[in-house]
Amino acid sequence: GAVVSQHPSWVICKSGTSVKIECRSLDFQATTMFWYRQFPKQSLMLMATSNEGSKATYEQGVEKDKFLINHASLTLSTLTVTSAHPEDSSFYICSARDLNNSPLHFGNGTRLTVT
Amino acid sequence: DAKTTQPNSMESNEEEPVHLPCNHSTISGTDYIHWYRQLPSQGPEYVIHGLTSNVNNRMASLAIAEDRKSSTLILHRATLRDAAVYYCIFQGTGNQFYFGTGTSLTVIP
Repeated sequence: GAVVSQHPSWVICKSGTSVKIECRSLDFQATTMFWYRQFPKQSLMLMATSNEGSKATYEQGVEKDKFLINHASLTLSTLTVTSAHPEDSSFYICSARDLNNSPLHFGNGTRLTVT
Repeated sequence: DAKTTQPNSMESNEEEPVHLPCNHSTISGTDYIHWYRQLPSQGPEYVIHGLTSNVNNRMASLAIAEDRKSSTLILHRATLRDAAVYYCIFQGTGNQFYFGTGTSLTVIP
């Protein structure tokens, strides 16, 4: 089956630093990737949708200059949290799909803790 | 938003069937209904998806109402490993997938 690998699985960083999270589709080409954020005991909140080779589409209320998304190839998308602050601590999850009407495949998430 | 409505929580006895409902009254005629489940501290796992006809796979069955405004995920024999939060979602007009609150399923031994 289709596999999405997300790295790192957890990261601790100091306030003011930047953190990059990678999302790779291992055995399929992901034309579209989605980035979600999940706070404890809450549902997944869509942050942005990225299509390979074009700029990401951010959801309302998500700062595009703070959460930089790059989808440079059909198998890799990255999310960079710039100048992280404690309120950015969350569980970040990526997902990918190859074709329209195909299911989403999710990574195992990245637990970000900003101290 | 592509909005779905599900009960917050449900319980089932082990080895009993479970019917998890979902309302999606704003779904368009060409959008697939997707179901995922999530264990704590993990990414969601694909369960099943369908368009109009009922669908079966090794994990579950999906019964879709004739008007497509609701669907039901059926786990034929619940096991302890099926305890999770179950989400039904569909694609919005802008190609996005929005998650609702989901149903937290508790399986009682």
